[in-house]
Amino acid sequence: RKEVEQDPGPFNVPEGATVAFNCTYSNSASQSFFWYRQDCRKEPKLLMSVYSSGNEDGRFTAQLNRASQYISLLIRDSKLSDSATYLCVVTDSWGKLQFGAGTQVVVTP
Amino acid sequence: DTEVTQTPKHLVMGMTNKKSLKCEQHMGHRAMYWYKQKAKKPPELMFVYSYEKLSINESVPSRFSPECPNSSLLNLHLHALQPEDSALYLCASSQEWRTGGRTEAFFGQGTRLTVV
Repeated sequence: RKEVEQDPGPFNVPEGATVAFNCTYSNSASQSFFWYRQDCRKEPKLLMSVYSSGNEDGRFTAQLNRASQYISLLIRDSKLSDSATYLCVVTDSWGKLQFGAGTQVVVTP
Repeated sequence: DTEVTQTPKHLVMGMTNKKSLKCEQHMGHRAMYWYKQKAKKPPELMFVYSYEKLSINESVPSRFSPECPNSSLLNLHLHALQPEDSALYLCASSQEWRTGGRTEAFFGQGTRLTVV
């Protein structure tokens, strides 16, 4: 079983709509959780850290559910520039970043 | 400033060549990493340096040799690579490694390596 699992998508989203997707992680001892975005042939860029209480950064909201071991990302008022692959990242008990395979989001005009 | 700089951006090398990838950060981060990423796959960890010492080697073949000359620099020396080693090589850094500190990693733009 993979440490971090994500729905690969693609999620096709009309501009202005809301999209949400989850990732699940297998290691209950994981301490840190992040969402990164990666554009085609570019490096991953940190979108936001995910805290136990949930957190919001503009149009992006991240939630952490430790009991069910999943993390969610919600994007409101989607922009064309939000089209990317969103990587769920979790630290394992060694502190190593474990990457999910990514969820592709395509925002259409 | 959350910048990690990698050079070169692109590299084509023959299987008998020796080349080096370079990475630099000036954020005062004490942990630096090398990742390898193939198309449509997530990054795979290769090496972790913490306080200039090698902490993790993910069973990487010896044709890849990392070096951390100081706290701001990380090199990856390449020798006798195979075509299947062609990939995007990403350097990253974070404030700390495994000490309960902030572990967000910031990535460089990567070196796109082609082995011919």
